[in-house]
Amino acid sequence: EADIYQTPRYLVIGTGKKITLECSQTMGHDKMYWYQQDPGMELHLIHYSYGVNSTEKGDLSSESTVSRIRTEHFPLTLESARPSHTSQYLCASSEYTDTQYFGPGTRLTVL
Amino acid sequence: AQSVTQPDIHITVSEGASLELRCNYSYGATPYLFWYVQSPGQGLQLLLKYFSGDTLVQGIKGFEAEFKRSQSSFNLRKPSVHWSDAAEYFCAVGGADSWGKLQFGAGTQVVVTP
Repeated sequence: EADIYQTPRYLVIGTGKKITLECSQTMGHDKMYWYQQDPGMELHLIHYSYGVNSTEKGDLSSESTVSRIRTEHFPLTLESARPSHTSQYLCASSEYTDTQYFGPGTRLTVL
Repeated sequence: AQSVTQPDIHITVSEGASLELRCNYSYGATPYLFWYVQSPGQGLQLLLKYFSGDTLVQGIKGFEAEFKRSQSSFNLRKPSVHWSDAAEYFCAVGGADSWGKLQFGAGTQVVVTP
């Protein structure tokens, strides 16, 4: 079972602020993912990475950006937060078998 | 393109009764299939997975699932539910040519009554 961490768990911020959501995993997994999920709804893949210096956009268009400078770290950044960005953001990593392990999520509220 | 359908948006079950959650998938090759559970405000926890071999898969918390290729289904079952099983359940499909990406269903909300 992977250990995967997300900080902060909850964030309330004003419109126009720059935010970074942190995601770290300790299992050495090459693949990492960011999902966006509204309450009670399905998951939408917004970014993924197959390794260091590899990032791709997911199925759902997002104004956020990601970076992968270290294997264990996959932060997500919003340059200018808007109320439409209010959602839960889930980070996951996977091993070679494609089994994804999820962090606890960050619930973002933009006022 | 891969897809997952969970026909039941919401299921209510009495504590101690059996539970079955349906999952139908579409995938061109041999699928990898997963069931995850999500408690409110939390991330997803893996319940079980199927890659190959025995089509009846045992998972954590007393759950099992059966892969039926002819029906493109991967239904989740539990013989006797506990109040702590109240949560959202997600089925997901991937495969060797999906490069690690999973397609998730819309989820089934399970409510457990006394």
